Amino acid sequence: GAGVSQSPSNKVTEKGKDVELRCDPISGHTALYWYRQSLGQGLEFLIYFQGNSAPDKSGLPSDRFSAERTGGSVSTLTIQRTQQEDSAVYLCASSLGGFSYEQYFGPGTRLTVT
Amino acid sequence: DAKTTQPNSMESNEEEPVHLPCNHSTISGTDYIHWYRQLPSQGPEYVIHGLTSNVNNRMASLAIAEDRKSSTLILHRATLRDAAVYYCILRAPLGGGADGLTFGKGTHLIIQP
Repeated sequence: GAGVSQSPSNKVTEKGKDVELRCDPISGHTALYWYRQSLGQGLEFLIYFQGNSAPDKSGLPSDRFSAERTGGSVSTLTIQRTQQEDSAVYLCASSLGGFSYEQYFGPGTRLTVT
Repeated sequence: DAKTTQPNSMESNEEEPVHLPCNHSTISGTDYIHWYRQLPSQGPEYVIHGLTSNVNNRMASLAIAEDRKSSTLILHRATLRDAAVYYCILRAPLGGGADGLTFGKGTHLIIQP
């Protein structure tokens, strides 16, 4: 079946611009996660959605970052007034439940802020 | 999540077994041990998980020490496609905290042909 998809696969933007990254989770998965991976760094958890509950935003690095999940499915990660340090691969994952056994990751969106 | 310690890198030969160690001395009684791997230029991929007993699936085996303070991921017959960074992660059941995975540095596994 279809896995997690993300778009765009690559995004180059100028410093100060806003960007939106999209994630389509696996159908039926109630939990959705955003992570980012900077060059040479490990994966960093950003935000977590579970069903209709309020998202856990504890990992968001600043108030320039926000995310929405519409209809319990598609999610959008928005970065406002991008900075060069925002350059990273942004990964989305979904799972069957809050404490599910595994998370399925998408291929990621590579964001470059110039 | 409790901390895990893994070697930075390991090297093995193709078609030989690989044993990837992970230390987690501060593990709590309810923490599950999960393994993910990340192939070059791809998102992480789930490998296996366990709580107390050893586990086997089509990808690997997980051997958990009796005191649960360490575990070993076993690839029975490594292929070139198994070259990746392997992450050992402890996950607690929901307790009001974030359910995101906490990735460490992992072990960079190199497979020689």
